[in-house]
Amino acid sequence: QSALTQPASVSGSPGQSITISCTGTSSDVGGYNYVSWYQQHPGKAPKLMIYEVSNRPSGVPDRFSGSKSGNTASLTISGLQAEDEADYYCSSYTTSSIHVVFGGGTKLTVL
Amino acid sequence: EVQLVQSGAEVKKPGESLKISCKGSGYSFTSYWIGWVRQMPGKGLEWMAIIYPGDSDTRYSPSFQGQVTISADKSISTAYLQWSSLKASDSAMYYCARRGFSYASDYWGQGTLVTVST
Repeated sequence: QSALTQPASVSGSPGQSITISCTGTSSDVGGYNYVSWYQQHPGKAPKLMIYEVSNRPSGVPDRFSGSKSGNTASLTISGLQAEDEADYYCSSYTTSSIHVVFGGGTKLTVL
Repeated sequence: EVQLVQSGAEVKKPGESLKISCKGSGYSFTSYWIGWVRQMPGKGLEWMAIIYPGDSDTRYSPSFQGQVTISADKSISTAYLQWSSLKASDSAMYYCARRGFSYASDYWGQGTLVTVST
């Protein structure tokens, strides 16, 4: 199955807000509210940041928020901090056999 | 506390077989899907295969069907990923991950680095 489409990179200054998009189809992002977002620092395992489009697991700062419109989901990070610099991946339920597909990943640089 | 602990790094030659493991603890191992995610050097995340240890239902991504085998031993809460004949292109980091009820992977192993080289 095709990966979801994310921008390769985004950047922002400390304190600013950034948004990462994740575009799919009606068979995945647009059809179900099962979009999740992961943060991955270099050399580390991914960490779940958002599930079911906009829900935060316990311990994730409320600076991280998620939304969805049509076939595109978005992750917004407000009040950027240096430690937010990482790769971010979206994921969605899909009708394929393995149920879930990832986006290609977005590298966030905090200037 | 939920934990997924993976087996250590492996260095293998092309054509050799390999089985890596992921031991779950702190939760009902038979009640959640668990799967394997590949990350090639400098690249993104790819789901390879998942298994439901409760009834051994398995699913494979079309890209990995026939290339790897996923299994689980619920008596020791451990999932496995195996190759019968490794290729250099199998060199990657492999993560196991628990899939929660909303299709999000809420817990991840620390990763197993597999290097296949002559």
